[in-house]
Amino acid sequence: TQLLEQSPQFLSIQEGENLTVYCNSSSVFSSLQWYRQEPGEGPVLLVTVVTGGEVKKLKRLTFQFGDARKDSSLHITAAQPGDTGLYLCAGLGPKNNNDMRFGAGTRLTVKP
Amino acid sequence: GAGVSQSPSNKVTEKGKDVELRCDPISGHTALYWYRQSLGQGLEFLIYFQGNSAPDKSGLPSDRFSAERTGGSVSTLTIQRTQQEDSAVYLCASSSYSRAVGDRRKYGYTFGSGTRLTVV
Repeated sequence: TQLLEQSPQFLSIQEGENLTVYCNSSSVFSSLQWYRQEPGEGPVLLVTVVTGGEVKKLKRLTFQFGDARKDSSLHITAAQPGDTGLYLCAGLGPKNNNDMRFGAGTRLTVKP
Repeated sequence: GAGVSQSPSNKVTEKGKDVELRCDPISGHTALYWYRQSLGQGLEFLIYFQGNSAPDKSGLPSDRFSAERTGGSVSTLTIQRTQQEDSAVYLCASSSYSRAVGDRRKYGYTFGSGTRLTVV
């Protein structure tokens, strides 16, 4: 059982379309991070959100942290083939230093 | 170095053999983590090193798994008597987070490219 549930598990869209992927949990997190992982590589940090309701924008990517700090969403506008990859969310628990929990990810494919 | 370096990138081993996986973190990063990534699963926490403190081994799945970090830098993950269920990508990450610095929430991880372990 995943502590962080990501949906959808797979998403295949055409270039230019918009999309939203979700990261949900029943637990409260002190912060939440989004990573993107390409085949054969390690995950690369995209953003960290720490405040409930926080919205961060990174070019065409918009990240939102839920008011209760239990969920997050990633919205991509006008997707491009270069956005293809595995998007992972990771939540940091309220206590110690090592309880960063990762979801199973959303595998996004953007077709040209 | 400029990034987190892991070796080997791929390892195929026979069931029952021991393997060693190496991680060279970013210079100056005091925090080092090992994760395991299986197909369709999220990253599974294995072990965490922070400076000279005793490591947090709470994620190691069995006593066949061990890890050490020499001189606060390079780390080695050892799997003894490998089993087929050990097949996965083993990822190492480092972070500049230090308890002395403060807010844990602001520190992300820099991952290596991983070691793909296949036990046959």
